[in-house]
Amino acid sequence: DAGVIQSPRHEVTEMGQEVTLRCKPISGHDYLFWYRQTMMRGLELLIYFNNNVPIDDSGMPEDRFSAKMPNASFSTLKIQPSEPRDSAVYFCASSLSPVRGYTFGSGTRLTVV
Amino acid sequence: SQQGEEDPQALSIQEGENATMNCSYKTSINNLQWYRQNSGRGLVHLILIRSNEREKHSGRLRVTLDTSKKSSSLLITASRAADTASYFCATDGETSGSRLTFGEGTQLTVNP
Repeated sequence: DAGVIQSPRHEVTEMGQEVTLRCKPISGHDYLFWYRQTMMRGLELLIYFNNNVPIDDSGMPEDRFSAKMPNASFSTLKIQPSEPRDSAVYFCASSLSPVRGYTFGSGTRLTVV
Repeated sequence: SQQGEEDPQALSIQEGENATMNCSYKTSINNLQWYRQNSGRGLVHLILIRSNEREKHSGRLRVTLDTSKKSSSLLITASRAADTASYFCATDGETSGSRLTFGEGTQLTVNP
């Protein structure tokens, strides 16, 4: 298995632009998580899905952030409009069962200038 | 806020030495997991210990859990330069559902 695949690896965009991050989870994993990592705040859970249904989006910073999972093999995290404070590494992770551990993607490093 | 807090924040040792990292948490947990993150990469799951377990081994890794003190430790024996990474503990509990809450991590540097 290729693991969790995220794209793009790096994204540089101007403030106000829309940004879309993509994730392909491991086939058969029913759980998908989006995390954000910064030096100041560490790893923060933004949202997670179970069987394509959003279960907990309490970590989504504000209405500028949205996430979708239209099918079991694809999820997107969208920021519109983007702001410099959104600069971070965004990780997607999937899991067969959370008690068995997560598999993380390599992350998307987002820089908003 | 982070559920887990790692101690120390940074640790530098020589190859061959043992490395011990500690994690404390605040609320009751079901499981505690340890992850490694190499620079510029995603986190990699290392080991999971359940709340009713006290110790677990995996290769050169030894994890202990003390639920009365709400703390865990990760011991890496006979460290190698390739062990250089950040190490995070993560917990899931009765109130957190299926999500993991990660600590702030310990940056381990193993010098050749």
